[in-house]
Amino acid sequence: QQQVKQSPQSLIVQKGGISIINCAYENTAFDYFPWYQQFPGKGPALLIAIRPDVSEKKEGRFTISFNKSAKQFSLHIMDSQPGDSATYFCAVLYSGAGSYQLTFGKGTKLSVIP
Amino acid sequence: DAGVIQSPRHEVTEMGQEVTLRCKPISGHDYLFWYRQTMMRGLELLIYFNNNVPIDDSGMPEDRFSAKMPNASFSTLKIQPSEPRDSAVYFCASSSRDGASGNTIYFGEGSWLTVV
Repeated sequence: QQQVKQSPQSLIVQKGGISIINCAYENTAFDYFPWYQQFPGKGPALLIAIRPDVSEKKEGRFTISFNKSAKQFSLHIMDSQPGDSATYFCAVLYSGAGSYQLTFGKGTKLSVIP
Repeated sequence: DAGVIQSPRHEVTEMGQEVTLRCKPISGHDYLFWYRQTMMRGLELLIYFNNNVPIDDSGMPEDRFSAKMPNASFSTLKIQPSEPRDSAVYFCASSSRDGASGNTIYFGEGSWLTVV
């Protein structure tokens, strides 16, 4: 059973446009929702994260919107740049009952064209 | 800080051979994770340790895979015997739940394994 579903699989955005990636989860026990960015040949790196008691978090051009009742969260990249071209993964963390597991979505390959 | 250090970065081996991947976590981190990344299955958690003790190995695909953490600064993931379907990028990651970076899991650059 896939614990987090991510869409779209790939995304092409014009430079200066808005990139939007969505994730949906099932388990309401998840308590931390990060987004990771991965460039070719590198490991994933934390981009931005949110806790379920907050509906939105913004860091520079990157914003997470969180809808607890719908069990969905999304990443918005404003003024997208060619340097943002990478694969983006949403993830969910469960840190209760002696557990500490980060589960990833399948990823979205973002291409920002000049 | 040097970050999570993995070796080898690339390995090509023949089917049936033993493969050992190595990881040095970030100093002070008490959690260590092994992930596998493939196009088909994405990023899968194989096993994780807390204070050198394996906590959950339910993601280890079969008995051919084993992982150890003999001390706080070293872990290995071993595949014996290796098969072509084991070809993937294997990531080691570490984390500390304390401090300002709590819940941030830091990844190494991965070990690219090809089994022919």
